[in-house]
Amino acid sequence: QKEVEQDPGPLSVPEGAIVSLNCTYSNSAFQYFMWYRQYSRKGPELLMYTYSSGNKEDGRFTAQVDKSSKYISLFIRDSQPSDSATYLCATGAQKLVFGQGTRLTINP
Amino acid sequence: EAQVTQNPRYLITVTGKKLTVTCSQNMNHEYMSWYRQDPGLGLRQIYYSMNVEVTDKGDVPEGYKVSRKEKRNFPLILESPSPNQTSLYFCASSFPGGRGNEQFFGPGTRLTVL
Repeated sequence: QKEVEQDPGPLSVPEGAIVSLNCTYSNSAFQYFMWYRQYSRKGPELLMYTYSSGNKEDGRFTAQVDKSSKYISLFIRDSQPSDSATYLCATGAQKLVFGQGTRLTINP
Repeated sequence: EAQVTQNPRYLITVTGKKLTVTCSQNMNHEYMSWYRQDPGLGLRQIYYSMNVEVTDKGDVPEGYKVSRKEKRNFPLILESPSPNQTSLYFCASSFPGGRGNEQFFGPGTRLTVL
């Protein structure tokens, strides 16, 4: 079993839709949970991070962690074409373990 | 500008010809790491370094070497490249206690081994 599992998609939605991206993880010791965004031909960049369980909101983005079910989610409200990218969940401490990444396309 | 740089960005080589991919960061980060990214497999860590002269294997270290003689540089060495090392490579750096131990990634090196 991989330490972090993520549906690779691809996922294609119309502009303005609510997008839900999800991951599961196996190691209950993980405390930091992150979402990285990777545009085509670029390196990943940290989008959001949370510590332990709960929600964190940043503009149109909400990160959610449920440690009881080992589930990580990222919600994007009012999605825009500029949100089209690959989204990678990650967890761990100094050493990160990444999901496979979900390729998201927002269609105008 | 704070950044991680990698060179070359693109490389086509042949089996067995030794190559080095350089990585440099200007943020005085202690931690540096190399990843490879393959379709369906995501980012997998090759090697990492906690500080100068301190390196350790990641999840897929076979066929790779690294060194950390200076804090800012962390080159990746392929002594005898093989076609299964064709991949997209990323260098990353971070410092302890940053935003979720945020890792800053370089722009990537696309390597093709024929």
